[in-house]
Amino acid sequence: GQNIDQPTEMTATEGAIVQINCTYQTSGFNGLFWYQQHAGEAPTFLSYNVLDGLEEKGRFSSFLSRSKGYSYLLLKELQMKDSASYLCAVGQDSNYQLIWGAGTKLIIKP
Amino acid sequence: GAVVSQHPSWVICKSGTSVKIECRSLDFQATTMFWYRQFPKQSLMLMATSNEGSKATYEQGVEKDKFLINHASLTLSTLTVTSAHPEDSSFYICSARKPAGANVLTFGAGSRLTVL
Repeated sequence: GQNIDQPTEMTATEGAIVQINCTYQTSGFNGLFWYQQHAGEAPTFLSYNVLDGLEEKGRFSSFLSRSKGYSYLLLKELQMKDSASYLCAVGQDSNYQLIWGAGTKLIIKP
Repeated sequence: GAVVSQHPSWVICKSGTSVKIECRSLDFQATTMFWYRQFPKQSLMLMATSNEGSKATYEQGVEKDKFLINHASLTLSTLTVTSAHPEDSSFYICSARKPAGANVLTFGAGSRLTVL
């Protein structure tokens, strides 16, 4: 079956670093996506990994290991506005559909 | 960039009425759009894949006759919730993939439906 696991909730301190993990078992793979979703709003795209390794984009980095079915999103220099849910999603081979994880609610404390 | 506009952003209706939600790609053509539903504190659930000029593909458990999807042009898809009931109250979000993009989906802002 299709399964994507990520922690339900994490708490971190402003200015610190946090790593959100995502493991997946899916029948197809066409890239792994991370989206950020603030409460009551639609998701916004953060990163896309299709090859193994680390992709860095400013304060955010995303890592993928296809052999392990594992990814993480690394957020540095945390700001209060980073408080949001972070959704991990896996693209399927034959279409553009995504299989979504349940999301990780990140709480940033001063 | 790729912009997807969704309207209305929120709607309140009486039980038994129908509600139409529009999803437009403003600066690109989208042959495929996706409709999601999201209940509070839960992840996105794909309802259906909307294909321009053809019938939508519905996910298992989603009633075709209740959630009517029309994708009549390359920039517009509509979701109509027919005979809405309180359990249909949810956050409905559409997304589209820019053709030349790397499978990245652009989302509309979402429509919050409350059925009284």
